[in-house]
Amino acid sequence: AQKITQTQPGMFVQEKEAVTLDCTYDTSDPSYGLFWYKQPSSGEMIFLIYQGSYDQQNATEGRYSLNFQKARKSANLVISASQLGDSAMYFCAMTDDDYKLSFGAGTTVTVRA
Amino acid sequence: DSGVTQTPKHLITATGQRVTLRCSPRSGDLSVYWYQQSLDQGLQFLIQYYNGEERAKGNILERFSAQQFPDLHSELNLSSLELGDSALYFCASSVGQGGSNEKLFFGSGTQLSVL
Repeated sequence: AQKITQTQPGMFVQEKEAVTLDCTYDTSDPSYGLFWYKQPSSGEMIFLIYQGSYDQQNATEGRYSLNFQKARKSANLVISASQLGDSAMYFCAMTDDDYKLSFGAGTTVTVRA
Repeated sequence: DSGVTQTPKHLITATGQRVTLRCSPRSGDLSVYWYQQSLDQGLQFLIQYYNGEERAKGNILERFSAQQFPDLHSELNLSSLELGDSALYFCASSVGQGGSNEKLFFGSGTQLSVL
């Protein structure tokens, strides 16, 4: 079964606006970690943000925030004040009891000037 | 810069050949992970080493093997290469053995093209 589902293959956003990338996950393990990574066209995989399953507060890192809704098993990434440099592929990922980081299919974000 | 170093950046070879991909983890990290990214399969976990020992195995083909050396660098060996092995191969590292709160930091990847 798919552990991570990203339903948006691609999105367009206007510069300076916010964008929300959807991610749902599937696990029966009470202890798990949720991650978002950014992959620009150059190919490298850049760590953005982490949310633990027991964390009470939503994680934030600069312009990135993670909207964690545990009951709905959703971990959406919000990018505020989008910049041209935010154009990239974004991956949601999870580790649970098997300790392997499983990735979703990714969402391509294109920021328009 | 994640601190994880992968060489080479690009590799072009022919079917049936063997190649070696190299990875140096971040300073202080004991785990090394290998991932394969292809258009049809997405990002697939191949294998993990922790402090020189194999820790977890994913969708790694028998033609592929890896090891982690005493200085903690790792090599991924791909043999009897096929066209379908063309992909971006990532190495990642983390501090511990892995787990729900373990952050993985990725290298820039090695783009393998099998012709």
